[in-house]
Amino acid sequence: EAGVAQSPRYKIIEKRQSVAFWCNPISGHATLYWYQQILGQGPKLLIQFQNNGVVDDSQLPKDRFSAERLKGVDSTLKIQPAKLEDSAVYLCASSRGSGPNEQFFGPGTRLTVL
Amino acid sequence: GENVEQHPSTLSVQEGDSAVIKCTYSDSASNYFPWYKQELGKRPQLIIDIRSNVGEKKDQRIAVTLNKTAKHFSLHITETQPEDSAVYFCAASGAGGTSYGKLTFGQGTILTVHP
Repeated sequence: EAGVAQSPRYKIIEKRQSVAFWCNPISGHATLYWYQQILGQGPKLLIQFQNNGVVDDSQLPKDRFSAERLKGVDSTLKIQPAKLEDSAVYLCASSRGSGPNEQFFGPGTRLTVL
Repeated sequence: GENVEQHPSTLSVQEGDSAVIKCTYSDSASNYFPWYKQELGKRPQLIIDIRSNVGEKKDQRIAVTLNKTAKHFSLHITETQPEDSAVYFCAASGAGGTSYGKLTFGQGTILTVHP
């Protein structure tokens, strides 16, 4: 089966600019996750979708981050305006169900904010 | 919420030796504990996982043990090889409510296997 796809792979922007990331999960996977991985740290969950509904966004900085999952498939994560501390790898993952199951990760988008 | 602590942060071993990485978690209701391997510049990939109804699980050179009472779990790699060099992350998943399926990751362990 095809894996989780993400684009772009790399993005460099200046602070206060906006940026958007795209994720296409594995076909048939109902649950989609966005993680932020700062260099030297483990991934931190930003938002979890079950189909096209939000299950958990408690760690999403909602004043600048937004995410949506259209038709329960693809998802976009947006940052507006970006700050220096947003520099990180943004990982998308998907899993078959909503419960504790293997999560399959995409290759990530490396964001650098100057 | 859940908090996962992972030790050591770096681990250096000789090829053929064993490597052990330990994690503790805070939420006694957590019931799923995966381990991910992340090579430099690549995506995390699941190498083994364990659920709370099992104390130990093995897959060839890799094993994971879980002590629910003490709220800790460990990854054991035997007969290490240079290709085992990577960053290893433990994680814990909540059991219900908004924590259901949510993974909280440890800080990671950089494992280096010297030929």
